[in-house]
Amino acid sequence: EVQLLESGGGLVQPGGSLRLSCAASGFTFSSYAMSWVRLAPGKGLEWVSGIGASGRNTYNADSVKGRFTISRDNRRDTLYLQMNSLTADDTAVYYCAREGGWNRFYFDYWGQGILVTVSS
Amino acid sequence: DTQMTQSPSSLSASVGDRVTVTCRASQGISNYLAWYQQKSGKVPKLLIYGASTLQSGVPSRFSGSGSGTDFTLTISSLQPEDVATYYCQKYNSAPFTFGPGTKVDIK
Repeated sequence: EVQLLESGGGLVQPGGSLRLSCAASGFTFSSYAMSWVRLAPGKGLEWVSGIGASGRNTYNADSVKGRFTISRDNRRDTLYLQMNSLTADDTAVYYCAREGGWNRFYFDYWGQGILVTVSS
Repeated sequence: DTQMTQSPSSLSASVGDRVTVTCRASQGISNYLAWYQQKSGKVPKLLIYGASTLQSGVPSRFSGSGSGTDFTLTISSLQPEDVATYYCQKYNSAPFTFGPGTKVDIK
């Protein structure tokens, strides 16, 4: 059974940093690209960052470029999102999501989500 | 970047009604289009990928069509459990943008 479990969320002050983790199990993690998607209060889904299966290729939304870094450790079956220079607009539930295979960045499995709140 | 729009932003229909949601891309994306359902407080669920391929386990009342810039999601007979927000998403190239969503509820 595919499982994705996010951790590392919480309350952070504006300008602060946070690192999210997503522990994967039930599939060959190193064979799949992964992404982070967020849902801000009262807003719609927003794709944030993606990474290829090997980790060589990364992609970011304009809204987080230069502030967020996606990475992965295929030995530990874990996906990460390093978030710096956080603002109130980054407040959201962050989901880890697995792509559908062969670098097709639609998402067939999602984690339960982790809340990040940016507030003083 | 390619922008994704959806219409309507919300709709209310009766149980058993046929419901159609439209998604438009500002540039052609071939058939690299997925649809998701997100119920309140729940995790998004993949319904359709490749514009028209039904994800395993999804009821057959859901269907998708379109190619290029114009796509539709159809629910052939709306059920109470279909109350949710529906999103389209492009995945031909980064950024893998979602549409703004269409909220569907029961009249």
